[in-house]
Amino acid sequence: SQELEQSPQSLIVQEGKNLTINCTSSKTLYGLYWYKQKYGEGLIFLMMLQKGGEEKSHEKITAKLDEKKQQSSLHITASQPSHAGIYLCGAALNAGGTSYGKLTFGQGTILTVHP
Amino acid sequence: KAGVTQTPRYLIKTRGQQVTLSCSPISGHRSVSWYQQTPGQGLQFLFEYFSETQRNKGNFPGRFSGRQFSNSRSEMNVSTLELGDSALYLCASRPGTDTQYFGPGTRLTVL
Repeated sequence: SQELEQSPQSLIVQEGKNLTINCTSSKTLYGLYWYKQKYGEGLIFLMMLQKGGEEKSHEKITAKLDEKKQQSSLHITASQPSHAGIYLCGAALNAGGTSYGKLTFGQGTILTVHP
Repeated sequence: KAGVTQTPRYLIKTRGQQVTLSCSPISGHRSVSWYQQTPGQGLQFLFEYFSETQRNKGNFPGRFSGRQFSNSRSEMNVSTLELGDSALYLCASRPGTDTQYFGPGTRLTVL
């Protein structure tokens, strides 16, 4: 099984709707990253979370880290077509600073936003 | 600052050939990591280089190798290409802090 599980695998929403993507780890999280990818392109960094209970926001995207559940959620408010893409969570699953160069990724969530 | 750059962006090779991909990190970043992305396996870590030394290695066969130069630029090499090596190869760089910034990737097709 995957060390990082994302759900759902795909999501289709109407413009203006809110949505949530979850990322659950089977191991202790030492750093959790959210990236966005357009198909066949590189990853765009969104946010990084390190401490349990930490919450960060950028424009209409909010990410939270639940350390006890070893889970992170990404919430998009009032979705727009520009939010469409593949959302990936990546994690450092080992202690120590060198582990941040070796990320384990979830399988991704494909988000479609219909205008 | 310029972002992470990767060359070439697209590459077509035949089985048995070898290939070299190049990555130039963001200026000042000393760590470069390489990842392979395929539809079946997703995004998987290959290796990380820091100050010309390999610091981490993923579970890939010895056909996959890399190196880093004194200016932090990195190359990865795949020898004896197989059909299954067709993938998007991504490199990422980071400074002394934690966040990795990714390049646009090199799309390798093996025929």
